[in-house]
Amino acid sequence: KQEVTQIPAALSVPEGENLVLNCSFTDSAIYNLQWFRQDPGKGLTSLLLIQSSQREQTSGRLNASLDKSSGRSTLYIAASQPGDSATYLCAVEMDSSYKLIFGSGTRLLVRP
Amino acid sequence: EADIYQTPRYLVIGTGKKITLECSQTMGHDKMYWYQQDPGMELHLIHYSYGVNSTEKGDLSSESTVSRIRTEHFPLTLESARPSHTSQYLCASSEWLGTQYFGPGTRLLVL
Repeated sequence: KQEVTQIPAALSVPEGENLVLNCSFTDSAIYNLQWFRQDPGKGLTSLLLIQSSQREQTSGRLNASLDKSSGRSTLYIAASQPGDSATYLCAVEMDSSYKLIFGSGTRLLVRP
Repeated sequence: EADIYQTPRYLVIGTGKKITLECSQTMGHDKMYWYQQDPGMELHLIHYSYGVNSTEKGDLSSESTVSRIRTEHFPLTLESARPSHTSQYLCASSEWLGTQYFGPGTRLLVL
């Protein structure tokens, strides 16, 4: 059974710092991995999708990497801003079920 | 910006009432999903659909039911609401093997 783990569970950093969020998964038979952002009481916003054949994706200050064989992904946020404060979730889409399996998220606070 | 809508956004209702949470998308996506999320907790998949007349139960057992009569519409129904159903319900849609787009959610409080 696929398990997705995100470390750390919470992170507090000063504005301007570069940071890395980690995501690991136990079953490498995935189609893709997606990173989402969730603000309190809101729905999820898609940030990046990495296909299983890809190594990384970039969007603005965000860069996500994928090492499928080791079951790891990282989300790198450059020059963090208070507006980046949110919960970040990673999820893998399995090739056996076409469902997303979510991690429990990392709560990020960027202090002004 | 994804075009996926949920109504109502907030609902307070008494025990025993029947409720339907609406979800619609204008992107023509075949795949649609319902998730349940308690505050500060993980998302749990409760229902999904691969297309019209296709519905499947998710990983978390739920007393709710869903229907998919039209591609763009995926309503969730609770026949008799209970306080244990209090939660946030999130609807999502996607193309095959594509990004999932989420609606804004419905926050349900059952008294």
